[in-house]
Amino acid sequence: GAGVSQSPRYKVAKRGQDVALRCDPISGHVSLFWYQQALGQGPEFLTYFQNEAQLDKSGLPSDRFFAERPEGSVSTLKIQRTQQEDSAVYLCASSLKRYMNTEAFFGQGTRLTVV
Amino acid sequence: EDKVVQSPLSLVVHEGDTVTLNCSYEVTNFRSLLWYKQEKKAPTFLFMLTSSGIEKKSGRLSSILDKKELSSILNITATQTGDSAIYLCATPGRDQGGSEKLVFGKGTKLTVNP
Repeated sequence: GAGVSQSPRYKVAKRGQDVALRCDPISGHVSLFWYQQALGQGPEFLTYFQNEAQLDKSGLPSDRFFAERPEGSVSTLKIQRTQQEDSAVYLCASSLKRYMNTEAFFGQGTRLTVV
Repeated sequence: EDKVVQSPLSLVVHEGDTVTLNCSYEVTNFRSLLWYKQEKKAPTFLFMLTSSGIEKKSGRLSSILDKKELSSILNITATQTGDSAIYLCATPGRDQGGSEKLVFGKGTKLTVNP
């Protein structure tokens, strides 16, 4: 596609509910990143994929967060048993180069609200 | 731990004013510093500054890197209401796994009033 596509754009979840957020990167982009942006904060790194391999998941805040990219293209970020502190915008970015996040292209993000 | 600090956090100006946004960084093995403009949700890339490219300009926007002071500024001249956005500064950090995650500052929220 022309850009990074994320869905849904908005998600309201009841506390304790599981959610799945989708990222469709630019075709052919090797690197894919997930970031979490709380209100009034800058984006914070969650996890990084190079093709289908998850090379860095050091930013995932708890074991309730899980990400996958099984075929090296579309990625899904899953949050189990959502909590209010999970409310944030979740941004996905993809990049053509390996190990390079400079000039990565970001998607529009998914705004998650946990009530 | 890698860190990026931006100031001010918020700024309100009138159309036509010139603004300067600040970014300071602490990072092991500095390679580059990036500026993004965030309107609504998606950050869009503005500039990348490196040791070999310490000054960039595009229209009314310009940015300079000061490696000695570990800082960068983003200047916007003759501001317009369309410049209203959050401006993010970031630098690639690197952990033991070798990934190049970006470390972001909190951003400067710029509001340009007509």
